[in-house]
Amino acid sequence: QQKVQQSPESLTVSEGAMASLNCTFSDGTSNNFRWYRQHSAKGLEVLVSIFSDGEKEEGRFTAHLNRANLHVSLHIREPQPSDSAVYLCAVSPALNAPRFGAGTKLSVKP
Amino acid sequence: AQTIHQWPVAEIKAVGSPLSLGCTIKGKSSPNLYWYWQATGGTLQQLFYSITVGQVESVVQLNLSASRPKDDQFILSTEKLLLSHSGFYLCAWSPTGRDTQYFGPGTRLLVL
Repeated sequence: QQKVQQSPESLTVSEGAMASLNCTFSDGTSNNFRWYRQHSAKGLEVLVSIFSDGEKEEGRFTAHLNRANLHVSLHIREPQPSDSAVYLCAVSPALNAPRFGAGTKLSVKP
Repeated sequence: AQTIHQWPVAEIKAVGSPLSLGCTIKGKSSPNLYWYWQATGGTLQQLFYSITVGQVESVVQLNLSASRPKDDQFILSTEKLLLSHSGFYLCAWSPTGRDTQYFGPGTRLLVL
């Protein structure tokens, strides 16, 4: 069964410094990868979707996918205090239900 | 633009009591609909999905049931709540099964 693990569990960065979050998965046939964020147990906001190896940028959010290494990352450029939230990695093998990681809690200090 | 609405915003219920949570999507016909559950401090899990009216598939068994009585409505329910049902329930929609899922604001449930 697909396992999705995120690291670090929590991350504190200063405003303006790059924030990097990691996600590893166990099923190499997965082909849908998404990063969401969740503010204080509210609904999820989709940030970026990536379906092939390489890089995908959406505004200040960039996802890097390396399926051979079973790894997808999220980089947040110039993070702001309003970016403080829990970031969730979702991995889907084909049409199956996505598996979510436990999340990384990001705190951005002014 | 599509909007997704969940109700109620929060509930406090007694063990053994019934539950009904609702979700409606406006601005999109024939969406795929999903129910998710997140225990406090836990991982988000998909519970049910539906691709059409009257058809619901179960993903995780949690002594809950779901129904889709209308194209734009998805209901999550149980006749007897358990303490373990506490958590945060999210409804989501997507244009197709492959697309990004868009989440509603969620319902917080506390079972005492």
